[in-house]
Amino acid sequence: QKEVEQNSGPLSVPEGAIASLNCTYSDRGSQSFFWYRQYSGKSPELIMFIYSNGDKEDGRFTAQLNKASQYVSLLIRDSQPSDSATYLCAATYSGGGADGLTFGKGTHLIIQP
Amino acid sequence: AAGVIQSPRHLIKEKRETATLKCYPIPRHDTVYWYQQGPGQDPQFLISFYEKMQSDKGSIPDRFSAQQFSDYHSELNMSSLELGDSALYFCASSQRGQWNEKLFFGSGTQLSVL
Repeated sequence: QKEVEQNSGPLSVPEGAIASLNCTYSDRGSQSFFWYRQYSGKSPELIMFIYSNGDKEDGRFTAQLNKASQYVSLLIRDSQPSDSATYLCAATYSGGGADGLTFGKGTHLIIQP
Repeated sequence: AAGVIQSPRHLIKEKRETATLKCYPIPRHDTVYWYQQGPGQDPQFLISFYEKMQSDKGSIPDRFSAQQFSDYHSELNMSSLELGDSALYFCASSQRGQWNEKLFFGSGTQLSVL
């Protein structure tokens, strides 16, 4: 049973600070990891993906992967109120999602102006 | 850039009725996934299709069926609707087999069963 665990929050961060979102996964066979941002009533939007140990940076976002600890994180620098959303962590096998992505339940992030 | 298109955006049905949701994947994407997301829940995988064949099955009720057509669009057919079927239904598409396959979601269909 593949599981992806996230703290549901809400996680409250002051504007301009760094928001740190964490995720653990149970299946060592998982090789690709994704962070989706979802606004209420909207579809998930892919913001980052990572498959190698270490850090991957894209603008204000940094994804971190530690396969030994089965841990994925997302850092958002210079947090903006528009970053307030639910962030879904997801994992799949390399080469194709035979049963789609396994999603975590999401972390609700609130950026306080 | 073209995205995943779903129709209708909103659908209101009564109990025991049927509903059909449609999904048009991104051009050249060969794989379609269907997800159900209840209020405050994470997306739950229902079923997927690759090259018009069912690829995998998740928590899809027997009352639901789906298929992928020759033009790669997909339809989710839901019969004997129940109140608990009220949810956001997302379709996602991807290009299967890429080492960094990524799913892109449509805007979803909000189904309300009264």
